[in-house]
Amino acid sequence: AQTVTQSQPEMSVQEAETVTLSCTYDTSENNYYLFWYKQPPSRQMILVIRQEAYKQQNATENRFSVNFQKAAKSFSLKISDSQLGDTAMYFCAFALYNQGGKLIFGQGTELSVKP
Amino acid sequence: GAGVSQSPRYKVTKRGQDVALRCDPISGHVSLYWYRQALGQGPEFLTYFNYEAQQDKSGLPNDRFSAERPEGSISTLTIQRTEQRDSAMYRCASSPGQGYLANGYTFGSGTRLTVV
Repeated sequence: AQTVTQSQPEMSVQEAETVTLSCTYDTSENNYYLFWYKQPPSRQMILVIRQEAYKQQNATENRFSVNFQKAAKSFSLKISDSQLGDTAMYFCAFALYNQGGKLIFGQGTELSVKP
Repeated sequence: GAGVSQSPRYKVTKRGQDVALRCDPISGHVSLYWYRQALGQGPEFLTYFNYEAQQDKSGLPNDRFSAERPEGSISTLTIQRTEQRDSAMYRCASSPGQGYLANGYTFGSGTRLTVV
């Protein structure tokens, strides 16, 4: 069975600083996707960034980037130039390519950006 | 529609009552997923459909939970004889199809169910 672990329940960062959120996962499969979702106080689920396991290059979306270490089964999220609007719960998620898109989520990391 | 629509937004029900939660996916989306999210936890997969066919219901916790999508569009998640432990946010998501997983999929705003 696949599992996703986020070992940091809470983190805080000063505005304009950089923060890294950790995520590890466990699978014996080779073909899968990894995602980071953001859940602000409004409790929407917003896709932040995604990574396909067969791609070696780390994904980047503006201020958000990932460090994907396939051998170590690690998928951390780096937020640069943190903004107050980044305050949210962040979930790491995993999906096998051949399981119809079923997402397995971690427990979440609550990030607070302080002015 | 423009987004995934769920109704009601909030539902308070008495223990033992049945509830039906509705999801209206983005028009034309083939795949529809149901998740449950307890407070302070990540979403937990319940079931999913491709068109009207229920492909995987392995996440449904017990036989009080059922889901249908009879015409391949709107879906209903039904919980019979509700219990307090069923209290959670129930989220629906849709995607154009399995082959679009790389884009993630679109979540609805959820239905917050409280069983008293």
